[in-house]
Amino acid sequence: VVTQEPSMTVSPGGTVTLTCVSSTGSVTNSNYPYWFQQKPGQAPRTLIYDTSLKFSWTPARFSGSLIGGKATLTLSGAQPEDEAVYYCSFAFGGVGVFGGGTRLTVL
Amino acid sequence: EMQLVDSGGGLVQPGGSLRLSCAAFGFTFDTYWMTWVRQAPGKGPEWVASINPDGSDKYYVDSVKGRFTIFRDNAKNSLVLQLNSLRAEDTALYHCMGTGRYAFWGQGSLVTVSS
Repeated sequence: VVTQEPSMTVSPGGTVTLTCVSSTGSVTNSNYPYWFQQKPGQAPRTLIYDTSLKFSWTPARFSGSLIGGKATLTLSGAQPEDEAVYYCSFAFGGVGVFGGGTRLTVL
Repeated sequence: EMQLVDSGGGLVQPGGSLRLSCAAFGFTFDTYWMTWVRQAPGKGPEWVASINPDGSDKYYVDSVKGRFTIFRDNAKNSLVLQLNSLRAEDTALYHCMGTGRYAFWGQGSLVTVSS
């Protein structure tokens, strides 16, 4: 089971850290953590792969890391357009598992 | 331009079959694992199946084992998911997705299982 905070709120311009935890123990780079952003009516979009690597479309204000055995997604300088649901996923061998998602409100 | 294009969804009765296809463009398809992910209405994404670069290693979520088959044709840059013995709970938007630096998503194929 992969667990995320159900919801979080951040002020415009503020910083927030989302976490993703595995029930099987500490998350490592070998679990290839991903972070996805999904806005209403759209398909998910991958923001982060392999713990911390970004795509060309990933805003610089997003960053991924491993802290204390958890995968984290930090948003620094939140913008209104960052309001979305964020999902993480891990690979366990060839098997993938998604977290339940964090609904992020920018308010 | 790198992209994945999904096709093949539709309406099918319980117990029926469908084949989903995903065409890959603009990247070295045959060097990366590929996955299928589905998202039921109002739910989060669910990983369904993965296949290694040469197609020799496959993994499935427990709920589809024995019913779904993933395979790939690297010569055609194509990923396929064969869905058999479909159930109402398989109703979802199915996306192919790359991995690693190619972890982008196809637009999805809608599968509706209903009598």
